[in-house]
Amino acid sequence: DQQVKQNSPSLSVQEGRISILNCDYTNSMFDYFLWYKKYPAEGPTFLISISSIKDKNEDGRFTVFLNKSAKHLSLHIVPSQPGDSAVYFCAAKEYNFNKFYFGSGTKLNVKP
Amino acid sequence: GAVVSQHPSWVICKSGTSVKIECRSLDFQATTMFWYRQFPKKSLMLMATSNEGSKATYEQGVEKDKFLINHASLTLSTLTVTSAHPEDSSFYICSARDGSQYEQYFGPGTRLTVT
Repeated sequence: DQQVKQNSPSLSVQEGRISILNCDYTNSMFDYFLWYKKYPAEGPTFLISISSIKDKNEDGRFTVFLNKSAKHLSLHIVPSQPGDSAVYFCAAKEYNFNKFYFGSGTKLNVKP
Repeated sequence: GAVVSQHPSWVICKSGTSVKIECRSLDFQATTMFWYRQFPKKSLMLMATSNEGSKATYEQGVEKDKFLINHASLTLSTLTVTSAHPEDSSFYICSARDGSQYEQYFGPGTRLTVT
């Protein structure tokens, strides 16, 4: 049973526009959420994170929103750039546990 | 900062042989290291979690005798795939975190092909 879900396997966006990547989770004990970016044949790179005590965290062009009541988080990229084209994974961690649960990823394609 | 390396980046081996993959944290001490496996177009599947100086904790369905994990120091963990079979061919990725941070920092991955 997958506790973190990314229901959109792919997303295509025009350069300069906003990219919104979504993630849903089922475990109410998750207290920390992260987004990773992954290029083919490379390991994921950390992008941005958010603690469950917050509902928004911003870092440059990247903003993560957390809606605890809906068990939903999203990553906004504004403005989108062709170099942002990659697979984006969301991940969640349960309080006091080491283990991260990853979604299945969303492949973002930013068209020039 | 927070650089994790893996070696080798790709390896081809014959069925029945063993392959060792190294994961190193280059600029921090990794109290915990994780080993993942990624299948094509699939998410990262956690195989095991290892803490320095103690035995690894394997996820359900992962054969501990087949995937040997050693975390001998705060900067090095190794994954040995023993008696490799073609179905073990995959992309193996390690990650590491120090005790003070939640984030995991990933290595670049190792592509294993068993012929």
